[in-house]
Amino acid sequence: QTVVTQEPSLTVSPGGTVTLTCASSTGSVTTAYYPNWFQQKPGQAPRALIYSTTNKHSWTPARFSGSLLGGKAALTLSGVQPEDEADYYCLVYYAGALVCGGGTKLTVL
Amino acid sequence: QVQLVQSGAEVKKPGASVKVSCKASGYSLTSYNIQWVRQAPGQGLEWMGIINPSGGRTNYAQKFQGRVTMTRDTSTSTVYMELSSLRSADTAVYYCARDLGDFWSGYPLFDYWGQGTLVTVSS
Repeated sequence: QTVVTQEPSLTVSPGGTVTLTCASSTGSVTTAYYPNWFQQKPGQAPRALIYSTTNKHSWTPARFSGSLLGGKAALTLSGVQPEDEADYYCLVYYAGALVCGGGTKLTVL
Repeated sequence: QVQLVQSGAEVKKPGASVKVSCKASGYSLTSYNIQWVRQAPGQGLEWMGIINPSGGRTNYAQKFQGRVTMTRDTSTSTVYMELSSLRSADTAVYYCARDLGDFWSGYPLFDYWGQGTLVTVSS
């Protein structure tokens, strides 16, 4: 069974930069995993941010970017805003199934 | 505008079944797949499966095979997720989400999500 691992929590200062990662127990995450990233605020449904590793939706703020970094999928926030405080989840495709990471709680402090 | 509107909260007893609906508007239901994802209280997201509303083709996560059934009614632009033999561990918010990609070619592309349906399993 595939396990996807994210940092449980990260803290960043307003205006700073932070990178969240998404690792797979199957080995390096590649573009063939088609990573998706979601943001979820308390009491709300998830909101899609990134698909297919690097692609943004029309509503995704420019300060969010997706990439591959050291064998992991990565979500980088540059110029963090207070409203970016949320939980972030990655989701990848592997062997005919989708697997979600455990999520990263991002605190802006 | 694209909307996925889900049915209301449910309370079920252990062993019962629940059927959650997801009504699509603002686009043609049969044009894109619908994914189902759940989230237990205070926990992360868990993928349950996918339905292609055009032909009805489904793919379920191994964990739920035998207990979950996803169907659609194209006349009402609605998809359904039924989960049977409920237990307390099934207490969660259940979400539907539109998938613009091609899951069966290994290309998921989530965009719009429903508001979620809380299912509580309690005796």
